[in-house]
Amino acid sequence: EVHLVESGGGLIQPGGSLRLSCAASGFTVNNNYMSWVRQAPGKGLEWVSVIYSDGSTYYADSVKGRFSISRDNSKNTLYLQMNSLRAEDTAVYYCARGGSLSQIDCWGQGTLVTVSS
Amino acid sequence: DIQMTQSPSSLSASVGARVTITCRASQGISNSLAWYQQKPGTAPKLLLYAASRLESGVPSRFSGSGSGTDYTLTISSLQPEDFATYYCQQYYSTLGGTFGQGTKLEI
Repeated sequence: EVHLVESGGGLIQPGGSLRLSCAASGFTVNNNYMSWVRQAPGKGLEWVSVIYSDGSTYYADSVKGRFSISRDNSKNTLYLQMNSLRAEDTAVYYCARGGSLSQIDCWGQGTLVTVSS
Repeated sequence: DIQMTQSPSSLSASVGARVTITCRASQGISNSLAWYQQKPGTAPKLLLYAASRLESGVPSRFSGSGSGTDYTLTISSLQPEDFATYYCQQYYSTLGGTFGQGTKLEI
């Protein structure tokens, strides 16, 4: 069974950094397109970033230069390094299989990131 | 970047009703469109992809159509469990898959 489990969310001060992790099971992360999608409280879904199977990466303009997506093939895990965090980055962050050039057919349960002093 | 405009933003309907939600892309997306259903406190769930292909396990009362820039999601006969928020997403662009603003379907 295909499964994604995120971790690493929490409360962080503005300007701080946080790394989210997403452990995959039932498939291989590096053979798939993998995305991060976020949802601010009471708001809609926002695509954040994608890493393709060839390792190329893309970012939404709202996070470009601050966030970095990566993967560890040995751990079958996806990451999102978030730097220079702002209040507007407060959201539930979902790890997803697909999301760019393919539909999202598997979502994690989400992890909440709260940026506040 | 490709922008997605989804309408309406909210919709009230009764059990048994037929409802339609539309999504318009700012440029042609060659049927690279998915529809998701989200219930409060849970992750979205894939309903349809490639504009009209039903994901495995999704009831046949859900259907999708469209081409070019304009797409629709139709629920033929609303069931109580269908009251949720629905999102479209284009995945045509290499630069990222943008979502529509969402449609909240209420009783």
